[in-house]
Amino acid sequence: AQRVTQVQPTGSSQWGEEVTLDCSYETSEYFYCIIWYRQLFSGEMVFLIYQTSFDTQNQRNGRYSVVFQKSLKSISLVISASQPEDSGTYFCALSEPHSGGNYKPTFGKGTSLVVHP
Amino acid sequence: EAGVTQSPRYAVLQEGQAVSFWCDPISGHDTLYWYQQPRDQGPQLLVYFRDEAVIDNSQLPSDRFSAVRPKGTNSTLKIQSAKQGDTATYLCASSHDRGGNYAEQFFGPGTRLTVL
Repeated sequence: AQRVTQVQPTGSSQWGEEVTLDCSYETSEYFYCIIWYRQLFSGEMVFLIYQTSFDTQNQRNGRYSVVFQKSLKSISLVISASQPEDSGTYFCALSEPHSGGNYKPTFGKGTSLVVHP
Repeated sequence: EAGVTQSPRYAVLQEGQAVSFWCDPISGHDTLYWYQQPRDQGPQLLVYFRDEAVIDNSQLPSDRFSAVRPKGTNSTLKIQSAKQGDTATYLCASSHDRGGNYAEQFFGPGTRLTVL
């Protein structure tokens, strides 16, 4: 069973629109992190933003923000004023504490986004 | 600061051949991860190290895959007898321990493996 689910395999928007990408996850940990990455067409994985389960406010990083619904184990990435350069595949990753203070990540299958000019 | 480097960038093999992938993490990063990313899938963790110690290799197909990080710096992932199902991009990532707090992973460009 998938522990990190991204139900939208693809998405599209027009230049300037706000885009929302959804992610749900399963965990029994009290503390965990959810991280969003964008994978460029070259394969490079770019860090966008992260939210911990202890954060009481939704995190924001430039044009990226999240809507975190902890009780639902759901988190959405919101991209404001989308641009064609935002096209790529977006991954949600759950990072849980693991042996000896380490973190073990689990990725979703990704959402492929195209922003049209 | 140099990023995570990987080599080779591409590899094409026949089934049954062996291949090694090399990763040089960011200097000072004590944790190193290897992922397998099949086409149109998310990265799947194979193994990760803290310094030279393997922390988790439960997803590594142990009969054909092996990974080492002998000095706690560079790492090598080896496939002994490749199968067509191993066709994927192999990503390496590193992070710096923050005393139990979440630490951002930095990814290398990946090695694209095709097994014919």
